[in-house]
Parts: sequence; C-alpha cells; structure tokens
Amino acid sequence: RKEVEQDPGPFNVPEGATVAFNCTYSNSASQSFFWYRQDCRKEPKLLMSVYSSGNEDGRFTAQLNRASQYISLLIRDSKLSDSATYLCVVNRGSSYKLIFGSGTRLLVRP
Amino acid sequence: DAGVTQSPTHLIKTRGQQVTLRCSPKSGHDTVSWYQQALGQGPQFIFQYYEEEERQRGNFPDRFSGHQFPNYSSELNVNALLLGDSALYLCASSLVALAGDQETQYFGPGTRLLVL
Repeated sequence: RKEVEQDPGPFNVPEGATVAFNCTYSNSASQSFFWYRQDCRKEPKLLMSVYSSGNEDGRFTAQLNRASQYISLLIRDSKLSDSATYLCVVNRGSSYKLIFGSGTRLLVRP
Repeated sequence: DAGVTQSPTHLIKTRGQQVTLRCSPKSGHDTVSWYQQALGQGPQFIFQYYEEEERQRGNFPDRFSGHQFPNYSSELNVNALLLGDSALYLCASSLVALAGDQETQYFGPGTRLLVL
C-alpha cells in the first residue's frame, strides 16, 4: 500500500465548476502537508501548504483531518488554466523527504 | 531572482553507461534534494544534501550517488544505467528550517533521462 493515496482521475469538469480532490496518508507521524500542482512535462510547483485549521488561498481551500488521516483540496470557479495534475504531499517531522501521491489529473473544459 | 536550474534538460544514454546531472539551487537556499519521477507516478525521494553531506537517503541503490559543492550546487550520478532508470530527475532546493518550522522545497525543471 502506498503511503499517500490519491484518486488518479481524470476529473473532467466545465469551467466555473467546483471540484474537490481527496488524499489519504497512512503514516500517523506525518506532520507537514502540501498540495503541489504539476503541468504536463513540467516540474511540480507548490500550490499551498495545508494547516490543521484549514486554509484558503483565493479559489483554493485545503483541509486536513488528522484523525482520519485525510487531506482535501477544493477548487471553486474552475478555470481552463487549472487543468493540471494535483499532487498530495506529506512530510514526517523526523524526515526531510517529501512523500508524494501519484497525483489527480484535472481537465477543465470550456 | 533565479529559481532552481538543472542541466542538461534531456539526455539519452545506453544501458551500462554512467550519467551526471547538475543542479543549482534557488538563490539563498542551502539544501538540495533529488527526486526521480517515473511516468504517471509522483516523484520519489533519492537523497538530500546539506553542508556538503548526504543528510538523508531514500530507497535507491548505491548506483545513485551525489555531491554538494561549497556553493550549494549539486550533482547526481547514476552508474551502470538500467532501462528502468528512464525518468524525469528533479532537483529541489530549500533553506534549512529552524526547529518546528516547515522546510518548503522548490523544484527545478528537471532532466529527462532516457536509457536505451
């Protein structure tokens, strides 16, 4: 079983839709959580960190549920430019490495 | 402000050969991590360098080795290449975090390696 699990998708949504991605992690020692975005054949770019109280950045909202070991990302008012792969990432406090899920692919259609 | 840079962008090698990939961290960063990303997968951690020492290593064989220079740039070396080493190799840089702080990693554009 992978340490970070994501639904690979693709999620195919119209412009303006709201879409949510979920991610589960198996190691309860995980302490830092992130969402990265990766465009086709490009490098991952940090979208947002995820904090215990939940946090929002414009149209993006991230939530963390430590009891269920579950992370979510909500995108409101989807734009064509949101089409990408979204990578759920965790880091254990005792470790320097980032542990990535395999990513969820989002396609936003006109 | 220059971001993370990597060279070369693409590389084709044959089985058994050796390869060296290079990375320059973002200005002000002192830590470099290397990741391997196979097609359709998330990046997998290879190792991290800080103060010219390997600080942590992932589950990769000894064929994968690295180095960090005094100017914080880094190299990844892979010996005895296998077909399965074909992947996107990503370098990420960060600034060592104070205790309790998050260390955010920023990725370079990667080197796409094809082993034939």
